[in-house]
Order: sequence, then structure tokens, then C-alpha cells
Amino acid sequence: DAKTTQPPSMDCAEGRAANLPCNHSTISGNEYVYWYRQIHSQGPQYIIHGLKNNETNEMASLIITEDRKSSTLILPHATLRDTAVYYCIVKDTGNQFYFGTGTSLTVIP
Amino acid sequence: DAGITQSPRHKVTETGTPVTLRCHQTENHRYMYWYRQDPGHGLRLIHYSYGVKDTDKGEVSDGYSVSRSKTEDFLLTLESATSSQTSVYFCAISSTGTYNEQFFGPGTRLTVL
Repeated sequence: DAKTTQPPSMDCAEGRAANLPCNHSTISGNEYVYWYRQIHSQGPQYIIHGLKNNETNEMASLIITEDRKSSTLILPHATLRDTAVYYCIVKDTGNQFYFGTGTSLTVIP
Repeated sequence: DAGITQSPRHKVTETGTPVTLRCHQTENHRYMYWYRQDPGHGLRLIHYSYGVKDTDKGEVSDGYSVSRSKTEDFLLTLESATSSQTSVYFCAISSTGTYNEQFFGPGTRLTVL
């Protein structure tokens, strides 16, 4: 049930901001946007989530457009350890996440 | 890291053999999940549990069964393993509430020959 569209890959220079886009044009009013990342073959790691407002935590910022049809995950100062696959997920208050294939981010020294 | 362990971490078995994977948590979270991850498919939900003895199917449940007799343990069973079930299996947990983000275990790599 593909609800999101992400670019398959991106590069970012170390120390610069990484901006990862996600389109979710069919999102409904009660659906949250979640971001996870997966480093190499480890289990996915929760990053951040939001409904309408922009959100920030110690890892990243999430910018959601006013019409909620797209969002951007921002890693403010990317490091080599941020190289990973990033998943944008839209889900309702149920418990099923639908992971797509994500964006493979490579941070370049 | 959330207290989630998976066992075994690696397993090689033969077609037709029964296989059971175990997920154990120390967080006392209500919800537990089993996913599989294959190249080009991201993670796909197999089954999940919303309490002891309460389970439901995910999007790729055929060929799998689950059981949860205790809060801390969630078992995934392949009754008769097939080569198409060669995959990496991840367990996840989440607490109740609206903001129920999931925390994932380290994964089990299963190879069915």
C-alpha cells in the first residue's frame, strides 16, 4: 500500500544540511507522517513524526507543507554516520506501518 | 536501545523444515510486530500482536503463524519453510497511545536452502 514517494538516492556533503523530500499526496486528515532510518543491515531507527505542525528533536527537523501533501526531513549537519536508508511513512491511528523502499542517503566527506 | 532481542540471529535450514523465530522484549510494551525485509521491497508486515493471545495478520502473512503467550515473547513460526521465505526478519515493539512509534530489534537472517 504505497502511500509515499521518495527519491531512491541522494548525496550530501559532510557538515551540510541534508534535506530529504517525501510526497504523500493522498494523506488523510488523521494520518501521521513518520520518518525512520536504517543503517546498513541494522533494524530501522525511529527519527521523528508529525501531523500538521513542523517538529524538531535532537536528531532532525520535520517540515510538513500546509496542504500536508509533502514533507521534508532535515538533518541540520550531516555526518558520515548519517549514511543510511531513510523511510517516510504515512499511517493512521492503526498499528500497521507501510515501509516503501526509502531514500538511500550517502554523506560524502 | 529498546530492550529487544531476537533469536537466533542467523539460521540456515532446508526446505520443508519447521522454523521458529523468537522475539523477546523487556519494555513491557503491548504491541509486537514481525516484519520481513527483502531487496527492493523495504520492510513488510507479517503479523502483529496487540496483547497476550491477541494477534492479527499483516500484508504478507501466508505461510507464517505467530503466538504470544506472554507479554515479553512473540514467536514467528514457518510451518514448512520454503526458499521464498529466505529473508531478514525484524521484530518491533510499541507502547499504547497515539504516538506509538515502533522500536526494532537487530534482525534474524534466515536462509532456506
